[in-house]
Amino acid sequence: AQTVTQSQPEMSVQEAETVTLSCTYDTSESDYYLFWYKQPPSRQMILVIRQEAYKQQNATENRFSVNFQKAAKSFSLKISDSQLGDAAMYFCAYRSPPNSGNTPLVFGKGTRLSVIA
Amino acid sequence: EPEVTQTPSHQVTQMGQEVILRCVPISNHLYFYWYRQILGQKVEFLVSFYNNEISEKSEIFDDQFSVERPDGSNFTLKIRSTKLEDSAMYFCASSEGTVGKYGYTFGSGTRLTVV
Repeated sequence: AQTVTQSQPEMSVQEAETVTLSCTYDTSESDYYLFWYKQPPSRQMILVIRQEAYKQQNATENRFSVNFQKAAKSFSLKISDSQLGDAAMYFCAYRSPPNSGNTPLVFGKGTRLSVIA
Repeated sequence: EPEVTQTPSHQVTQMGQEVILRCVPISNHLYFYWYRQILGQKVEFLVSFYNNEISEKSEIFDDQFSVERPDGSNFTLKIRSTKLEDSAMYFCASSEGTVGKYGYTFGSGTRLTVV
C-alpha cells in the first residue's frame, strides 16, 4: 500500500519569506498523482497544487510551486512571499493511477505552518 | 465557484445514537467520497461511491456505516450506533472523474462529537 510521509510536524516562516514543506511517498506504481491541500483554521480542505507523475515539469500556482523528484519519491511544496493567510495545516496526498478505479487519496499527517508578521 | 455543501457544521450526539451527515456534491460530479479526521490526526479515507454503489471502502467503514444518494443530489453518511471514537471531522468530497488530475473538491466538514 502507498504511504505518504511528512517529516515536519510544524514549520514557521517570516512574512514575505520563502518556506519549503517536505513530503515523501512510497509506491511501486509508475504513474500517479500528487497533491498538496491546505487546511486553515476553518478546517476546510483546499486544493493548493497538483502534480502528474508522468510530467517532469514541476507544477506552479502563483506563489506555490513544487519540487517533484520522482526517483527520490519526493514532492516538496515551496511557498514564496509568504502571507499571513498562508498559515494553515498542509497535507500532502497521493492518488493511484487512473486505470486503478475510483481510488482514494492517501494523506500524510500534515505540517502546521505558522507565518510570523 | 461551485462548492460541496455539508450539513450540519457541528453535531453533538449521545453514544449509541444514529447520526446522518449530509452532503450536496457539485452538480456535474459523478464520484463521491467520505473522509474523516480525528482531531490532530491525518485525514483518513472512509468510502467512495459511484453510480449508486460503493466503489471502495476502508477498514474503518464497517457495518456501522452506510452511505446512500437518496434523491440524486444529496449524499449521506449514516452511523448507526455512534461510539466515542467516532468523534471526528467528517469531510465529503466529490470529483468530476476518477482520473487523479481532477483532484477532489472537499466540503467544509461536519464536526461530530459523541458524548
